[in-house]
Amino acid sequence: QVQLVQSGAEVKKPGASVKVSCKASGYTFTSYDINWVRQATGQGLEWMGWMNPNSGNTGYAQKFQGRVTMTRNTSISTAYMELSSLRSEDTAVYYCARGFVGGGTEWFDPWGQGTLVTVSS
Amino acid sequence: SYVLTQPPSVSVAPGKTARITCGGNNIGSKSVHWYQQKPGQAPVLVIYYDSDRPSGIPERFSGSNSGNTATLTISRVEAGDEADYYCQVWDSSSDHGVFGGGTKLTVL
Repeated sequence: QVQLVQSGAEVKKPGASVKVSCKASGYTFTSYDINWVRQATGQGLEWMGWMNPNSGNTGYAQKFQGRVTMTRNTSISTAYMELSSLRSEDTAVYYCARGFVGGGTEWFDPWGQGTLVTVSS
Repeated sequence: SYVLTQPPSVSVAPGKTARITCGGNNIGSKSVHWYQQKPGQAPVLVIYYDSDRPSGIPERFSGSNSGNTATLTISRVEAGDEADYYCQVWDSSSDHGVFGGGTKLTVL
């Protein structure tokens, strides 16, 4: 079955970087976008950006421009999201999700299990 | 940037119909997708393309979209439907995803 499995929880200090992985299985990795979404505790979903695993093209929310980098390794069907210059407000669960593109829109299914990133001194 | 507005909470008795709205400027011209998120779990797609259901989603879940409001309708609500629900669109002008703020559905 289609599955996205993310790396484990991370604890980072302010100013550091974190890199979260998302391993895809059950489908052709290069045929669908990977999107990243985060959720702070008790808050809503916040879209961060997308990556086309075939071309490597990316698009980032303006809020994260300059701090986020989305990459992939097609040989192991894995996508990565790296966020730098971490601050306490970046403490959240980070999700990857497969993106379906069609008719000028994109939706997300399925989602990874989430990775908790805690930023604390 | 495009903004989606959802009511923070909706309450409904078991067996009744719940309607969760998602407001946006001329949202009827966009495709709206809906996700269900239960506590401690990742979101799950329940409606895409305004009204299509992924396999495995009960027929009790339906969607509509017109004018400035999209609606997720859950018929014959069950206790297991209690969750947060999020609407989402793709803003093609910026090539960005956009989520509504989420609605907590409480089954009384």
